[in-house]
Amino acid sequence: AQTVTQSQPEMSVQEAETVTLSCTYDTSESDYYLFWYKQPPSRQMILVIRQEAYKQQNATENRFSVNFQKAAKSFSLKISDSQLGDAAMYFCAYRSRWETSGSRLTFGEGTQLTVNP
Amino acid sequence: GAVVSQHPSRVICKSGTSVKIECRSLDFQATTMFWYRQFPKQSLMLMATSNEGSKATYEQGVEKDKFLINHASLTLSTLTVTSAHPEDSSFYICSATRGTSNYEQFFGPGTRLTVL
Repeated sequence: AQTVTQSQPEMSVQEAETVTLSCTYDTSESDYYLFWYKQPPSRQMILVIRQEAYKQQNATENRFSVNFQKAAKSFSLKISDSQLGDAAMYFCAYRSRWETSGSRLTFGEGTQLTVNP
Repeated sequence: GAVVSQHPSRVICKSGTSVKIECRSLDFQATTMFWYRQFPKQSLMLMATSNEGSKATYEQGVEKDKFLINHASLTLSTLTVTSAHPEDSSFYICSATRGTSNYEQFFGPGTRLTVL
């Protein structure tokens, strides 16, 4: 079974600064997807960024980028130019690529990000 | 596109009653729907996976007789909490995947259940 670990329960960053959230995972599969989801106070889950394991290039979405280290099974999220609206709970998630394993997501424990003005 | 709605957003009920929560995919046909439970400041815990027209697959430790899931159509899944008790109070979230590009789950806004 796959596991996802987020070792930082809480993080804080100053507005306009950069912050990195950590995530590690354990799997025996070679092909899979990794995601970062954001859950603001409204509790609506929002997809921030995804990475396909077979792609070596790190995914980027505007101010959000990842550092995907497949051998180390590490998938960190970097938020640049942090904004007050980035304050939320962030979840790292794993999904197997193979349909026989189902399309279920395995979530980490979450990191609560505070953005200070 | 890819909007998922849940109804109701909040529900308060008395202990012993049953509560039904609806999850709808508004602009796509959902091949698979998922039901999660989330306690305050905790992660999402998958309860069950359902496909249209077939029985739901429950995660280990989830009582299928307690949490009844019906996936009647490609756009609607329902979760019924039977004989609810205060310990069932939680935030329930559904999600759905669509078509062949099903790597992404689209999440509903969640339902807060409070059992008195």
